[in-house]
Amino acid sequence: QSVLTQPPSASGTPGQRVSISCSGSSSNIGRDTVSWFQQLPGTAPKLVIYSDNQRPSGVPDRLSGSKSGTSASLAISGLQSEDEADYYCAAWDGSLKGWVFGGGTKLTVL
Amino acid sequence: QVQLQQSGPGLVKPSQTLSLTCAISGDSVSSNRAAWHWIRQTPSRGLEWLGRTYYRSKWYYDYAVSVKSRITINPDTSENQFSLQLNSVTPEDTAIYFCARVGVTGALDYWGQGTLVTVSS
Repeated sequence: QSVLTQPPSASGTPGQRVSISCSGSSSNIGRDTVSWFQQLPGTAPKLVIYSDNQRPSGVPDRLSGSKSGTSASLAISGLQSEDEADYYCAAWDGSLKGWVFGGGTKLTVL
Repeated sequence: QVQLQQSGPGLVKPSQTLSLTCAISGDSVSSNRAAWHWIRQTPSRGLEWLGRTYYRSKWYYDYAVSVKSRITINPDTSENQFSLQLNSVTPEDTAIYFCARVGVTGALDYWGQGTLVTVSS
């Protein structure tokens, strides 16, 4: 059981907007920033959002992040087939003194 | 461009020590603006943070409670790399192990390629 809670799956058709939620607590999302990672099969996670809503260089602006209280969301607009992947949220947990992750959401582009 | 290159055996016998190394290019293990982490991934437990080391005038180490009695992360300034040692492994330690960096963004921004380590006799 992961410390952060994500839905196991999400789906959408090309061009649609999808959103993935991440729920935590006051010791992690409530006190520190949230990151989001995209993981393709057989590869390492790739940072796509940091500091709740910032995109690293090279990440398309179709991806956006938001946070409110102890929950965060990743939104992908203009869905493309290349967005099909597993997505994970993460945050530093001040009580556990370590990074905690969501269980991952498998995004399917129908 | 930061790159992290992992090396180490893919098979370890139960009760023995798992050892992996992460070689850094494009940054320094001694940087006072970075921290160096080990994370593992399994289908059942997902992504699990194991620990980190970082330098801020002296070396600091933090370890996950779940492995604290068995883990050591060591920086190697001469080779610009850092290592993971996990003692007394069991089949439950079978996982893909990743090294990663936290930089000025405060996020895990660069990752190694991952090493599948299987604990089996």
